[in-house]
Amino acid sequence: ETGVTQSPTHLIKTRGQQVTLRCSSQSGHNTVSWYQQALGQGPQFIFQYYREEENGRGNFPPRFSGLQFPNYSSELIVNALELDDSALYLCASREKGGRNYGYTFGSGTRLTVV
Amino acid sequence: QQQVKQSPQSLIVQKGGIPIINCAYENTAFDYFPWYQQFPGKGPALLIAIRPDVSEKKEGRFTISFNKSAKQFSLHIMDSQPGDSATYFCAASSGNQFYFGTGTSLTVIP
Repeated sequence: ETGVTQSPTHLIKTRGQQVTLRCSSQSGHNTVSWYQQALGQGPQFIFQYYREEENGRGNFPPRFSGLQFPNYSSELIVNALELDDSALYLCASREKGGRNYGYTFGSGTRLTVV
Repeated sequence: QQQVKQSPQSLIVQKGGIPIINCAYENTAFDYFPWYQQFPGKGPALLIAIRPDVSEKKEGRFTISFNKSAKQFSLHIMDSQPGDSATYFCAASSGNQFYFGTGTSLTVIP
């Protein structure tokens, strides 16, 4: 069982709405990354947070934003939802001082925009 | 632009066969090359990974072969089992970000 928990597992939203996805990492995992995985594709890097600050971002517009909290939880917020935002959103975390190979992925949130 | 190119898109083998999945990259700054296994409804799980100073790494039935000069790496699954049926992703990283391939759907027939 993975130490990274994501909620909700499934979500349906209307175009133009805002959505907040949540991730709970295991204790000590102070680095969290978010990925978008479209159907039949590999995950695409959205951004990474370390100690509650964004420290890396992929090719995603500013309407994708995030928060990280001291209790090892984090959120992905998407504003002004578009149909193309429909995807599986994955959270991955690693422990303090861990190298890249220390990342653990959650099972994801399946977002459908209609 | 796809940073990591993966092939084939799908693969069907008999139980006991040795499926091989290939990946290629261009960015020579990549310094970490993991393979992930993903089952339906689950997130990717790390299988095995290699760094460019090593040409081969084995962990159980899984082997990575790495060719630095060709900028290619591959996953071999020895004695494949029906339980290995899943989607496999290669990835490459330098720093914070992973670049994933497009995935290979593997089916192992009993």
